[in-house]
Amino acid sequence: GQGVEQPDNLMSVEGTFARVNCTYSTSGFNGLSWYQQREGHAPVFLSYVVLDGLKDSGHFSTFLSRSNGYSYLLLTELQIKDSASYLCAVRMVGDNSKLIWGLGTSLVVNP
Amino acid sequence: EAAVTQSPRNKVTVTGGNVTLSCRQTNSHNYMYWYRQDTGHGLRLIHYSYGAGNLQIGDVPDGYKATRTTQEDFFLLLELASPSQTSLYFCASSDELIQNTLYFGAGTRLSVL
Repeated sequence: GQGVEQPDNLMSVEGTFARVNCTYSTSGFNGLSWYQQREGHAPVFLSYVVLDGLKDSGHFSTFLSRSNGYSYLLLTELQIKDSASYLCAVRMVGDNSKLIWGLGTSLVVNP
Repeated sequence: EAAVTQSPRNKVTVTGGNVTLSCRQTNSHNYMYWYRQDTGHGLRLIHYSYGAGNLQIGDVPDGYKATRTTQEDFFLLLELASPSQTSLYFCASSDELIQNTLYFGAGTRLSVL
């Protein structure tokens, strides 16, 4: 079946890094987005990738491998305020108005 | 200034009640969406629209109606609310050409008793 999978939880330490993984299985592929959602708040767009490779956006970087149905969001120089849920969403080919959402990974950054 | 504004922010109603959730966007976006978010299910699409007067069915439409009166305004209607509709509701908008970037409102927390 079609779906987007993410680990439920991830812990890391302030000043280091965290890698949030996302695997997907969909009918075709037309882009993958990452969103950050803090507790009690709305999701906020972080990054969009459609081509293979690493997209470096400073504090957030995004990697995509379409042949493996895999992406990750890399957060570097972690701060306590990076503690949040990170959502992965995949858009299929042929249905340009719907996204398939993962359940999100809850990242906790410890001092 | 918030570009997607939802109202009310919180709502409590009883089973069988009539509820309207409102959403206004000032992004000049064509696409607007209504999602619900529940623990264990993530974001689920209820209805969406790509312009005034247009309505498309999402993945979990049962028990919900929606209406897009203008490019800016999108409403979600629960005419006979049930406890299973207790949830956090998000409205979002996106540009026709950059549909992977959604801009979300702050959300409406609805409780159906």
